[in-house]
Amino acid sequence: AQSVSQHNHHVILSEAASLELGCNYSYGGTVNLFWYVQYPGQHLQLLLKYFSGDPLVKGIKGFEAEFIKSKFSFNLRKPSVQWSDTAEYFCAVNANTGGFKTIFGAGTRLFVKA
Amino acid sequence: EAGVTQFPSHSVIEKGQTVTLRCDPISGHDNLYWYRRVMGKEIKFLLHFVKESKQDESGMPNNRFLAERTGGTYSTLKVQPAELEDSGVYFCASSLNRGQGDTEAFFGQGTRLTVV
Repeated sequence: AQSVSQHNHHVILSEAASLELGCNYSYGGTVNLFWYVQYPGQHLQLLLKYFSGDPLVKGIKGFEAEFIKSKFSFNLRKPSVQWSDTAEYFCAVNANTGGFKTIFGAGTRLFVKA
Repeated sequence: EAGVTQFPSHSVIEKGQTVTLRCDPISGHDNLYWYRRVMGKEIKFLLHFVKESKQDESGMPNNRFLAERTGGTYSTLKVQPAELEDSGVYFCASSLNRGQGDTEAFFGQGTRLTVV
């Protein structure tokens, strides 16, 4: 069955530190990949997405993610985090398993210390 | 443009009672999804509508849960009778249907259900 694994459940960083959140998925076919973010008290919203083309995708607020097909990975990165990046981050995969549905990872709570 | 809206935002009910959650997707979005997040755990897929048809309901926990989307517009998710383990946040999402899954989903704010 399709699954998404996020490596860290909680991450604490100081401002200006670099961020990398790991995400691996299990599906051998064509996939569409997403990172969603939920800021405190707000909706889930899209951070970035990969459908095809350049495997390095850039999203909002300076985030980027790299799709490495051979590793079934889609890690999220940001060179220098800010206090306002404190949120929960979800990796998600959408694949055709007889119909598309989006499967989420368990989420990573990021806390950035000012 | 209005986003995905869910009603109510919070619901507290007693075990054994019935609750109906509603989701209004973005106009024109054929895909509608229901997800649930139990406290501290991952967001779990419940089911997927394409227009009024259930495309995939493999995530529905049991027959106490009934989802409908009459007319392919808004959707309801009824829990009857509710049990304590049904507590959590229920998210609805919608997306355009281009047939290849390459569209982002837009989420509602969620309904926090507490069964006591």
